[in-house]
Amino acid sequence: AQKVTQAQTEISVVEKEDVTLDCVYETRDTTYYLFWYKQPPSGELVFLIRRNSFDEQNEISGRYSWNFQKSTSSFNFTITASQVVDSAVYFCALSLPTSGTYKYIFGTGTRLKVLA
Amino acid sequence: EAGVTQFPSHSVIEKGQTVTLRCDPISGHDNLYWYRRVMGKEIKFLLHFVKESKQDESGMPNNRFLAERTGGTYSTLKVQPAELEDSGVYFCASSQEQVRGPDTQYFGPGTRLTVL
Repeated sequence: AQKVTQAQTEISVVEKEDVTLDCVYETRDTTYYLFWYKQPPSGELVFLIRRNSFDEQNEISGRYSWNFQKSTSSFNFTITASQVVDSAVYFCALSLPTSGTYKYIFGTGTRLKVLA
Repeated sequence: EAGVTQFPSHSVIEKGQTVTLRCDPISGHDNLYWYRRVMGKEIKFLLHFVKESKQDESGMPNNRFLAERTGGTYSTLKVQPAELEDSGVYFCASSQEQVRGPDTQYFGPGTRLTVL
């Protein structure tokens, strides 16, 4: 079965703290793609990153970083020195070529609240 | 470049009524997806169009839901008759032609449907 688990329903941090959002995925496929999206209060899902299963290099983009570990089937997202503008719901998603359509399988999302 | 747009942003209807949601994808995007998020749960795939053809409608809940994409441009999702459990946020996403792996899906702001 294919599944994405975001066990953290809601996280609250104080501004400037670092925070890690967990994402654990399940699939038997060897080729797959992982994504993170941010949903600010305005409602749209904003693309953050895409990673394929053959690329285990971690990625850093400004204050954002992603740790992809196939051994633990995890694709965790860390925000360094969090800011109030980071407050949003964050979704992790899995896409499989075998689906034929590359439809996304989403986790339930993690609501991040960054307090000033 | 304009993003994915959805109309209306909110819709409140009585059980048994009909509602039509519209999605305008990013210009030139052949792939169009519909997803739905029921309160607090994961975002779930409904269906996928490639141009005007339905590629995968395995996620459509039942035959009260009808999606169309005439001319391969905008898409409509009609719910007739609406039931209480249809309440949720309906997202539309679009992506370019998928050649090697999935192209990133870009999401609209969603339509929040409330059935009373």
